[in-house]
Amino acid sequence: QKEVEQNSGPLSVPEGAIASLNCTYSDRGSQSFFWYRQYSGKSPELIMSIYSNGDKEDGRFTAQLNKASQYVSLLIRDSQPSDSATYLCAVYSGNTPLVFGKGTRLSVIA
Amino acid sequence: EAEVAQSPRYKITEKSQAVAFWCDPISGHATLYWYRQILGQGPELLVQFQDESVVDDSQLPKDRFSAERLKGVDSTLKIQPAELGDSAMYLCASSETGTGQPQHFGDGTRLSIL
Repeated sequence: QKEVEQNSGPLSVPEGAIASLNCTYSDRGSQSFFWYRQYSGKSPELIMSIYSNGDKEDGRFTAQLNKASQYVSLLIRDSQPSDSATYLCAVYSGNTPLVFGKGTRLSVIA
Repeated sequence: EAEVAQSPRYKITEKSQAVAFWCDPISGHATLYWYRQILGQGPELLVQFQDESVVDDSQLPKDRFSAERLKGVDSTLKIQPAELGDSAMYLCASSETGTGQPQHFGDGTRLSIL
């Protein structure tokens, strides 16, 4: 059973700080990694994709992947109250369905 | 930006009734997914289509759930009869292909069974 683990939170950070969200996965053969943001009562919204080791930056978001440690993270710089949401990590491992973590709830305090 | 269309947004019905959800993926996306999401959990795949063919329906409760994508474009998910435990968010997603490409979600249908 392929697993994706996330701390459920809530993770509380002050406005303007860096929020760090972490995700570990069990399948060493995993190939594609995604971060989705989900506001309460809404559907998941894709915010980052990462496929190779290292960092990938997009605006205030940075995804970091370390396949050796089976670890993927999402950093949000200059956190805003509008970033308050649940962040879902999703991992793809070959010919199996995309596996989602349970999500980390982020709260940015103004 | 192109979006995945879903309807209805909300559905309230009584147990034992039939329920149907509709999804129209992003134009040109060959792969379509139906997920169920329970509060506090991540989405769980119910069924995956590649064009009009079912690729994975291993987690679809086939005694009561059915799904089709007859022309390889839009899709319908049906529950008959609905049970109290079916109350959840039903999400449709699509991707260009099924091989590790990002999936884009519709707004979902919030189903409440009374």
